[in-house]
Amino acid sequence: EIVLTQSPATLSLSPGERATLSCGASQSVSSSYLAWYQQKPGLAPRLLIYDASSRATGIPDRFSGSGSGTDFTLTISRLEPEDFAVYYCQQYGSSPFTFGGGTKVEIK
Amino acid sequence: EVQLVESGGGLVKPGGSLRLSCAASGFTFSSYSMNWVRQAPGKGLEWVSSISSSSSYIYYADSVKGRFTISRDNAKNSLYLQMNSLRAEDTAVYYCARWGIVGAFDIWGQGTMVTVSS
Repeated sequence: EIVLTQSPATLSLSPGERATLSCGASQSVSSSYLAWYQQKPGLAPRLLIYDASSRATGIPDRFSGSGSGTDFTLTISRLEPEDFAVYYCQQYGSSPFTFGGGTKVEIK
Repeated sequence: EVQLVESGGGLVKPGGSLRLSCAASGFTFSSYSMNWVRQAPGKGLEWVSSISSSSSYIYYADSVKGRFTISRDNAKNSLYLQMNSLRAEDTAVYYCARWGIVGAFDIWGQGTMVTVSS
């Protein structure tokens, strides 16, 4: 089983600042099958990034993903008020299709 | 509009059973693999099970293997999760999610709450 570790657990930033979220895998993620999701309270997760660096339909270009192998990063270039939420990474290259524990991006 | 709507959640006693359903609309359901993901109160996301478009491939998390059964009816555009021998730790919101053509889980339902308590 691939264990995904997200850091930091909480990120306190102000609107307009840059956010950098990390996701580390216990073993290499095949074909960079790594996704990032955003979840707001009471709502279902929303796909942001798939295949480590491809933006999903309708996702603003301030969201970008990078990385390969065991180290992945989600960057939000300039935080908008609606970006404060919890973010999860997930690997879907091999079963079980595990999620990371999440990073909460909160308003400083 | 592409949509997934879960139903069937509720309160059940430990050891009991429940069957969740997920109704799909707005896309060709039979062309997509589907998934169940759950989220315990205040916790993160946990993948539960996946099924391929023709039901040829099925996967389960170890935490539910032998107790939960995923299935689908492409004629009815529906996904199911039969949950038996339920435990308190199965208490969660259960989401169904589509495995997108480009990868990852691209469409999610609103979730249905399952509470296992005596």
